[in-house]
Amino acid sequence: NAGVTQTPKFQVLKTGQSMTLQCAQDMNHNSMYWYRQDPGMGLRLIYYSASEGTTDKGEVPNGYNVSRLNKREFSLRLESAAPSQTSVYFCASSEPRTGERNGYTFGSGTRLTVV
Amino acid sequence: GIQVEQSPPDLILQEGANSTLRCNFSDSVNNLQWFHQNPWGQLINLFYIPSGTKQNGRLSATTVATERYSLLYISSSQTTDSGVYFCAVAPYYGGSQGNLIFGKGTKLSVKP
Repeated sequence: NAGVTQTPKFQVLKTGQSMTLQCAQDMNHNSMYWYRQDPGMGLRLIYYSASEGTTDKGEVPNGYNVSRLNKREFSLRLESAAPSQTSVYFCASSEPRTGERNGYTFGSGTRLTVV
Repeated sequence: GIQVEQSPPDLILQEGANSTLRCNFSDSVNNLQWFHQNPWGQLINLFYIPSGTKQNGRLSATTVATERYSLLYISSSQTTDSGVYFCAVAPYYGGSQGNLIFGKGTKLSVKP
């Protein structure tokens, strides 16, 4: 029972390089999310996917794109990385309106450094 | 947009002590959750509590939606309780119930 799996766990990029962060969940949740966490801050929503086939911008979408590949997988792409995108990225999934905890589950995070 | 303020920002306890963490929010919500981020960075969902009171072992939470605050109680604290506690809400009007706005957290250190 893996829950939410993110890859890679660590990545160093040069300014201008591109990369894709992968996320997969095995809980059959409809909704998936990408957040970023900066030092001393809470998490901020980048993009979300309320259900398979839909994606929408969150609080801080600039510089990112997403793809909801199927119900299980939700990827985050940085087309041209910038030092301001140095952060820890978390993927999450949830099933609103069901379950005591709202089914909100996070992956273990990807620590990205852009130099 | 909705504002989420947590207090205190930092808290140091001796093992065995009790504590209360507070979360104030500036507008009506249809989702409120408490999370614990352990020292290794993992985020664990503690409570889904848009209103009312819940208990889980040594932890309990109360949300008074009409007064726009929530409290997280930790009793008989243990060193494993150390980490950062986040309150997160979803505004009642607009957006998805799952799109959470996080506070900046309360960093708890429990000393043996």
